[in-house]
Amino acid sequence: QQQVKQSPQSLIVQKGGISIINCAYENTAFDYFPWYQQFPGKGPALLIAIRPDVSEKKEGRFTISFNKSAKQFSLHIMDSQPGDSATYFCAASRRDFGNEKLTFGTGTRLTIIP
Amino acid sequence: DSGVTQTPKHLITATGQRVTLRCSPRSGDLSVYWYQQSLDQGLQFLIQYYNGEERAKGNILERFSAQQFPDLHSELNLSSLELGDSALYFCASSVVPWEHTGELFFGEGSRLTVL
Repeated sequence: QQQVKQSPQSLIVQKGGISIINCAYENTAFDYFPWYQQFPGKGPALLIAIRPDVSEKKEGRFTISFNKSAKQFSLHIMDSQPGDSATYFCAASRRDFGNEKLTFGTGTRLTIIP
Repeated sequence: DSGVTQTPKHLITATGQRVTLRCSPRSGDLSVYWYQQSLDQGLQFLIQYYNGEERAKGNILERFSAQQFPDLHSELNLSSLELGDSALYFCASSVVPWEHTGELFFGEGSRLTVL
């Protein structure tokens, strides 16, 4: 059962452009939504995260937008750079004893071209 | 460097065989998670241990088992291997599971190829 749906599967953006990756979730008990970044040959690493009590969180060029009523959240990368080329995973978790595990989306392979 | 160490980095074996993947969590982290990453499935949660005890189970096959030892390192055992078990296996750790920060620290993975 895919509880977090992520799109697109792959994305090509020109340098300086805006990269947008979308995720949707089903379980309303989720209350923490991180994004992970993975470079080839490496494990995923936390990029930015948001809780549902805010609609937006910005860290540098990275912004999460959150729509609780639509059960959707998205990652925006402003002024995209070649170094941002990586696979991005959205995820969700809930505060429930024994169920704190992260449920990941299927990933988006982002390529930034010059 | 996340501080999580996984060995071996690469492993090639034949169908029907058994392998053991090892994970050393970050110093001080009590919780260990195992994830399987394949091309079309993303990161699939397998199992979680906290301070030596199983805490949560995901889509882990009966042919797979895991444990966390008193020194907090963990091993994932994969037996009766099939071609479809070929994947990247990630270990991740966190301080305590209920801090609920969502931040897991991942190792670099063990790439298993079953021929």
